[in-house]
Amino acid sequence: QKEVEQDPGPLSVPEGAIVSLNCTYSNSAFQYFMWYRQYSRKGPELLMYTYSSGNKEDGRFTAQVDKSSKYISLFIRDSQPSDSATYLCALSTDSWGKLQFGAGTQVVVTP
Amino acid sequence: GAVVSQHPSWVICKSGTSVKIECRSLDFQATTMFWYRQFPKQSLMLMATSNEGSKATYEQGVEKDKFLINHASLTLSTLTVTSAHPEDSSFYICSAPPTPSGNTIYFGEGSWLTVV
Repeated sequence: QKEVEQDPGPLSVPEGAIVSLNCTYSNSAFQYFMWYRQYSRKGPELLMYTYSSGNKEDGRFTAQVDKSSKYISLFIRDSQPSDSATYLCALSTDSWGKLQFGAGTQVVVTP
Repeated sequence: GAVVSQHPSWVICKSGTSVKIECRSLDFQATTMFWYRQFPKQSLMLMATSNEGSKATYEQGVEKDKFLINHASLTLSTLTVTSAHPEDSSFYICSAPPTPSGNTIYFGEGSWLTVV
């Protein structure tokens, strides 16, 4: 069993819809939770960083962490074609940056 | 903000040769850097942790004699793929831990290696 599970998709949504992404994990030692966006053949770009359970909002992005269920989510409101990318969850047991990535979900937002 | 620069972005090499990838922290010092590998349509997998002035720590299953990591200064870590083979063709990317004043993990731009 992988430490971090993420559905690879692809997930296709119409422009303006809400994109819902999630990851589950098995290691309760994970304390830091991140979401990255990766365009084809590029390095990952940090979207959201959370430490504790709960919600965090930044513009069109909302990240949720439920440590009791070992479940994290990312929601993208008012999706745009430019949001088409692969979204990766990344988890860490410490703040030093050694990350365990999910498989990444490919998202396609159609005009 | 802090920037991690990685070079080269693209490299093609012949099978059996070695290729070096550099990762530099441009405006901060990084005593630790991380090297990841990403095969097509797969996620990033941590290969090793590079430590300035000491040996790198490799993840299980990563051949340390094949993937040589050197972290000779506080701003430069290098990954050398020795005796490269086509199955080593991948996207290699480095990252640096957050600076004391922040919580952002900085990634390099990544390097695409194709072994022919």
